[in-house]
Amino acid sequence: NAGVTQTPKFRVLKTGQSMTLLCAQDMNHEYMYWYRQDPGMGLRLIHYSVGEGTTAKGEVPDGYNVSRLKKQNFLLGLESAAPSQTSVYFCASFDPRPHLTTEAFFGQGTRLTVV
Amino acid sequence: AQSVTQPDIHITVSEGASLELRCNYSYGATPYLFWYVQSPGQGLQLLLKYFSGDTLVQGIKGFEAEFKRSQSSFNLRKPSVHWSDAAEYFCAVDSGNTPLVFGKGTRLSVIA
Repeated sequence: NAGVTQTPKFRVLKTGQSMTLLCAQDMNHEYMYWYRQDPGMGLRLIHYSVGEGTTAKGEVPDGYNVSRLKKQNFLLGLESAAPSQTSVYFCASFDPRPHLTTEAFFGQGTRLTVV
Repeated sequence: AQSVTQPDIHITVSEGASLELRCNYSYGATPYLFWYVQSPGQGLQLLLKYFSGDTLVQGIKGFEAEFKRSQSSFNLRKPSVHWSDAAEYFCAVDSGNTPLVFGKGTRLSVIA
């Protein structure tokens, strides 16, 4: 009963390095989201996916890419990390079927520092 | 586009006092409304949600929230705050098949 799992939990990158954050969910949810959380800004949507093979931009997509090759996984990539991408990243999954009174399930977050 | 406003950045209350955290939203129809809590260094925990029906919603940890359509508000309340309630609280809204939109959060401090 894992729910939403994010790896890694912590990471320090040097400016210009690349990395991929992995989000995995075992609830067969169609929708998956990546948010970033910064002090005083709440959670802002980076990219999201409404199904396998689909992705869409959110509020703050610049500097990030995503892929949803498998329904259960949603990857967030940073091709060339910048200090402005220092943040806590949260992944979430959601079942949008209208007859379900459900909510988004969140991972525990990835704390990324870019130096 | 949907938006959420939490007018209070930081609130301090005494332990045992009542609490109300404000949330206003902007959305054309009746949205789905949520309150989440985040303790320092932790993830998000759902406190309660409103989809339809009774406008007074009960949640976990003794919290409740009231949906007021006329005021586009979904304020969170607790009659008696405990020191363990110190955390950051986020209001969020979606239409049921769109990504959650969050407010900027309200940080709650509890003093003895």
